[in-house]
Amino acid sequence: DIQLTQSPSFLSASVGDRVTITCRASQGISSYLAWYQQKPGKAPKLLIYAASTLQSGVPSRFSGSGSGTEFTLTISSLQSEDFATYYCQQPDSYPITFGQGTRLDIK
Amino acid sequence: EVQLVESGGGLVKPGGSLRLSCAASGFTFSSHSMNWVRQAPGKGLEWVSSISPGSDYIYYADSMKGRFTISRDNAKNSLYLQMNSLRAEDTAVYYCARKYYYDGSGCYDYWGQGTLVTVSS
Repeated sequence: DIQLTQSPSFLSASVGDRVTITCRASQGISSYLAWYQQKPGKAPKLLIYAASTLQSGVPSRFSGSGSGTEFTLTISSLQSEDFATYYCQQPDSYPITFGQGTRLDIK
Repeated sequence: EVQLVESGGGLVKPGGSLRLSCAASGFTFSSHSMNWVRQAPGKGLEWVSSISPGSDYIYYADSMKGRFTISRDNAKNSLYLQMNSLRAEDTAVYYCARKYYYDGSGCYDYWGQGTLVTVSS
């Protein structure tokens, strides 16, 4: 199974900050990685797929990069609506796996 | 507009059974792999099962194998999850999600609102 480890698990930041979340895979997964945002009581929302492709309608302050075993999600300038939990996912090798999540809180 | 609407959740006793449904609309259901993902209270996302467009490829997480059965009815634009021998640790919100492929890489681009399954005596 491919394990995904996100860091940090918790992050406290302010509006306007630039934040980066890392997702490390236990083995190489090329660019087969997606990122999701989830707010309390809501379904996850796709942000980025194929490691760096922004989903339609997602603000350009979100960006993704990486390949192989190390990936990053960057929010260039945090907005109030960005405070949520973020998950990475490897969507193509069974069993499908998610990272444990990164909770982004307001400082 | 793509819509996925889950139903069938509820309270069930340990050892009991439940069948979840996911009604799809707004897209060609028969062209997409479909998936179930769950989230226990206060926990992260856990993949449950996937089914290919023609039902010829089916996958399960190890902890669900032999207890859960995924199926679909393309004529009814519906996805199902039959859950048997339920345990307290199966308590979770269950989401259905559509798989989208881009340049060989997949993702779950649309999700339902989720249905809560509670396993308790």
